[in-house]
Amino acid sequence: AQSVTQLGSHVSVSEGALVLLRCNYSSSVPPYLFWYVQYPNQGLQLLLKYTTGATLVKGINGFEAEFKKSETSFHLTKPSAHMSDAAEYFCAVSENRSYKLIFGSGTRLLVRP
Amino acid sequence: KAGVTQTPRYLIKTRGQQVTLSCSPISGHRSVSWYQQTPGQGLQFLFEYFSETQRNKGNFPGRFSGRQFSNSRSEMNVSTLELGDSALYLCASSDTGEPLHEQYFGPGTRLTVT
Repeated sequence: AQSVTQLGSHVSVSEGALVLLRCNYSSSVPPYLFWYVQYPNQGLQLLLKYTTGATLVKGINGFEAEFKKSETSFHLTKPSAHMSDAAEYFCAVSENRSYKLIFGSGTRLLVRP
Repeated sequence: KAGVTQTPRYLIKTRGQQVTLSCSPISGHRSVSWYQQTPGQGLQFLFEYFSETQRNKGNFPGRFSGRQFSNSRSEMNVSTLELGDSALYLCASSDTGEPLHEQYFGPGTRLTVT
């Protein structure tokens, strides 16, 4: 069975600092991987996705993630945090490459002024 | 294009009652998926419909059901509500439901069971 683990339920960074949100996955097939962001009282918005090809994926709002098969990781990064990045972030894997998403438990990002 | 809309946004029900939630996908989208989000269990897949057919179902009891209409609008129903059904219910639509195609999420319906 596929699964996703997000290390750290809360991450706090200063404005302008590097953002690093960790995600590890378990999958018996080459995975499709996703990062979503959820702002308060809103649904989920896709930040980026990895399906095949280039392992460094660039997304919206300056975020990027690198697929590392050897480490079964798909960590999300952003060079410089903005106050507007404060939200909850979810890593997800597509079950058996289907439309069914399996989500991690989420990481709440706090950005300090 | 208008986004995914869900009605109602907030709902309070009593244990034992039933509830119906509605989701209107983005125009032209034929796939609608439903997810339950709770603090304890996180985001869990309920089911997905494509062209009025349920293609996949998550591990939820039979009290949770859904359907999709010919205009792609979808409803989910929960019968005999339990306190643990209190959650944010999210629906997502995509044009085909294929993982390469982005799923667009609605704002959710927050259900509180008392």
